[in-house]
Amino acid sequence: EAQVTQNPRYLITVTGKKLTVTCSQNMNHEYMSWYRQDPGLGLRQIYYSMNVEVTDKGDVPEGYKVSRKEKRNFPLILESPSPNQTSLYFCASSPYWGLQGGEQYFGPGTRLTVT
Amino acid sequence: GQQVMQIPQYQHVQEGEDFTTYCNSSTTLSNIQWYKQRPGGHPVFLIQLVKSGEVKKQKRLTFQFGEAKKNSSLHITATQTTDVGTYFCAGLPGAGSYQLTFGKGTKLSVIP
Repeated sequence: EAQVTQNPRYLITVTGKKLTVTCSQNMNHEYMSWYRQDPGLGLRQIYYSMNVEVTDKGDVPEGYKVSRKEKRNFPLILESPSPNQTSLYFCASSPYWGLQGGEQYFGPGTRLTVT
Repeated sequence: GQQVMQIPQYQHVQEGEDFTTYCNSSTTLSNIQWYKQRPGGHPVFLIQLVKSGEVKKQKRLTFQFGEAKKNSSLHITATQTTDVGTYFCAGLPGAGSYQLTFGKGTKLSVIP
């Protein structure tokens, strides 16, 4: 089944404890992206990647890191999480990108709470 | 940076009534996408519009892209309870940018 998977689905952690949220897609998509969703703010892009080893900042990259060493994986790293990073996180992938864009397939989401 | 404004933020309709949500960008877009997110779910792609003045239909849903490629709308005819959810537009600017900007969404409630 074609899908985007994220792990963990739920995570409660403490301030400053490094964590990684994994994202994997089995559709051989080139483009992958991370978003956070907060009430009243909609979806905001954190980072995106147009291909292996090619990443760029979105609207809200501060406090996050990403890497794209393999086409299928795009982990989101929080080196020192803070309470303002409590949010619902979505990973998404798209078969192609460019000026014509492309349909994005979203993962199920990861609900992160930082205390 | 690019901003995408979406209105209204909330809409409550009686089942069978029509519903429209509007999206306006501060800059010209190369394309605009629409997504639907059911309560507790993840966003699901509905459609992408690319051409100036483009109109696309999916059953009871009609999507429009403005002539200037800065605004778009989604219209649902005769809403049903299955239409409940939040509808998002997402704009991709031109000029080599690959940063997709989402509107804040319109949350639709349908009263049976």
